[in-house]
Amino acid sequence: QKEVEQNSGPLSVPEGAIASLNCTYSDRGSQSFFWYRQYSGKSPELIMSIYSNGDKEDGRFTAQLNKASQYVSLLIRDSQPSDSATYLCAVSWTSYDKVIFGPGTSLSVIP
Amino acid sequence: KAGVTQTPRYLIKTRGQQVTLSCSPISGHRSVSWYQQTPGQGLQFLFEYFSETQRNKGNFPGRFSGRQFSNSRSEMNVSTLELGDSALYLCASSEGQGATNEKLFFGSGTQLSVL
Repeated sequence: QKEVEQNSGPLSVPEGAIASLNCTYSDRGSQSFFWYRQYSGKSPELIMSIYSNGDKEDGRFTAQLNKASQYVSLLIRDSQPSDSATYLCAVSWTSYDKVIFGPGTSLSVIP
Repeated sequence: KAGVTQTPRYLIKTRGQQVTLSCSPISGHRSVSWYQQTPGQGLQFLFEYFSETQRNKGNFPGRFSGRQFSNSRSEMNVSTLELGDSALYLCASSEGQGATNEKLFFGSGTQLSVL
């Protein structure tokens, strides 16, 4: 059973701080990794994808992947109250495989 | 481009009934995936259709089925509804092939309540 795990939170950070969200996955053969953001009452939306070991930056967001440790993280710099949402880690094992989601981490950015 | 459209937005059914949910993907997207979302279980993968064929399947009972039409629109059917089927059902479309296949675009979902 392929699994994706995340700390459920809630994670609370003050405005302007760095929020760090973590995700682990069970299958070493995993190829593709994604972070989705889901606001309360809304659908998930893709914010980052990463395929190779290392860091990938997009604005205030940085995704970090370590395949040897089966670990992927999302850093949000200069956190804003509008970043308050549930962040879902997702993993796919091949380009044609299903995308499996973790349970999500609830983030609250306190003004 | 229009986004992913799911209908209906809300459904109330009673135990034992069946229900059909509809999903229209983004124009040009050939893959449609279905997920069940509940507060306790999170997003659970149901199945994925690509070019009218089921390409991937999750661990749900046979009461859950789906199909995809030649225009990529998809329907999901749940027969003999149980109380535990109450959930938000999300449809997501993707291009279906190539490096961007797994980038999913979600619809607004259908909230199903089973009484």
